[in-house]
Amino acid sequence: GAGVSQSPSNKVTEKGKDVELRCDPISGHTALYWYRQSLGQGLEFLIYFQGNSAPDKSGLPSDRFSAERTGGSVSTLTIQRTQQEDSAVYLCASSSSGGTGGFFGPGTRLTVL
Amino acid sequence: TQLLEQSPQFLSIQEGENLTVYCNSSSVFSSLQWYRQEPGEGPVLLVTVVTGGEVKKLKRLTFQFGDARKDSSLHITAAQPGDTGLYLCAVRRSNDYKLSFGAGTTVTVRA
Repeated sequence: GAGVSQSPSNKVTEKGKDVELRCDPISGHTALYWYRQSLGQGLEFLIYFQGNSAPDKSGLPSDRFSAERTGGSVSTLTIQRTQQEDSAVYLCASSSSGGTGGFFGPGTRLTVL
Repeated sequence: TQLLEQSPQFLSIQEGENLTVYCNSSSVFSSLQWYRQEPGEGPVLLVTVVTGGEVKKLKRLTFQFGDARKDSSLHITAAQPGDTGLYLCAVRRSNDYKLSFGAGTTVTVRA
C-alpha cells in the first residue's frame, strides 16, 4: 500500500484478555516504531525495529507487552492480561534507514473495560 | 519532567486570526520536527529544522528554530478551519533513532 496501515482501527476488550495489534509498514522501509498515545499526552515510544538487528524494547512499560516483526515487514504488538491503564491509541510508524521522519499509520484505539 | 514543553496546551481562535505555538526545552538538539495530527489519524510530518535561527515557511505556516537550538515556534497566518488539529513537536537526540514528543497544542479554528 501507499502508506502505513494498522488493524484493527478500534479494539474493545475486557480486562485480563490478550490483544494483538497489527502494523503493515510502507514497502521497503527498514525501520518500524510503535508508540502509544494516551489522552492529553504526547506520544510515548514503545519499541523500535531496524532491519535484522535486535529490537530496542526499552520503551515497553511492562513484560505484558511484546512485539515481533516477521520477515522485516509486518509487525504485531501483543498485550497480555490487559489492564484499564493500557487504554490508548497505539501508533505505528515506518521510515527508510537513516530517514529523518517517520510515516505514521492511523493508529489502533484500544479500550479496556 | 517532559523533555519538550509545548504551550499553550489549547488554543481556540476565529478564522482569519494569527496564532503562535511554542516548543521549549533546556536541552540542545541537532534537529526538531513539527507534526500535525487530526482526529482518528496518525501525526503527519510538517517540517524538520536543523540550523539554529533557521526559518522555514510552508504556505501560511512559519517555523523557527531558536538560535541555541533549544526551542522552536510555529506561527500560522490567517488561520483556516483546515488548520485545526493537534500540533506536536519532536526531537531525536544525537545518536538516537527514537523520537521524543511534546504533549502537543490542540488548535481549533472556528469558521
